[in-house]
Amino acid sequence: NAGVTQTPKFQVLKTGQSMTLQCAQDMNHNSMYWYRQDPGMGLRLIYYSASEGTTDKGEVPNGYNVSRLNKREFSLRLESAAPSQTSVYFCASSERADYGYTFGSGTRLTVV
Amino acid sequence: ILNVEQSPQSLHVQEGDSTNFTCSFPSSNFYALHWYRWETAKSPEALFVMTLNGDEKKKGRISATLNTKEGYSYLYIKGSQPEDSATYLCALRRGSTLGRLYFGRGTQLTVWP
Repeated sequence: NAGVTQTPKFQVLKTGQSMTLQCAQDMNHNSMYWYRQDPGMGLRLIYYSASEGTTDKGEVPNGYNVSRLNKREFSLRLESAAPSQTSVYFCASSERADYGYTFGSGTRLTVV
Repeated sequence: ILNVEQSPQSLHVQEGDSTNFTCSFPSSNFYALHWYRWETAKSPEALFVMTLNGDEKKKGRISATLNTKEGYSYLYIKGSQPEDSATYLCALRRGSTLGRLYFGRGTQLTVWP
């Protein structure tokens, strides 16, 4: 199915562990995004990539790194997980600025 | 910090009622206003993208209007059905930000049969 694929869907980490969330889209979209969603908060942008080869910080980048591996893939890495990073993470992509985003199904991450 | 405000935070209506909710945003440097529908345990799905002052969009029983000069958008649902129950998000794109969106916290709609 065409769309945005995120892996894993669920993950439990211990404080200090590292992990990479994977995101891939098969719609040939230029722009890709990582958001986190916390109770009572709107979706907050962590990092985005306007085009292949570029990445920029969003509102809440601390504790995260990203890689735009190619046009299809945009990964999010937690180098040393903290309980404050417990959240649901969404990857999204868009073809152009006046088109809507296509979201992945989300990754529910718990850091204990 | 850019504030995109949505009201009300939650709304409960009976099947068949019509309803509307509001998204308010800073009007400066406006580029586009997005609306998304987010059902529980799913991911957000795009409803509308509006770019022009006075824009009106419609999809079935759902419609939206946009006023960029005063910085607000309304989403209307006519004859609500239980399957309309979801969180409705609005998001602002400004002209200088290469496609990134600023999301509101959403309006959670529950339609009772």
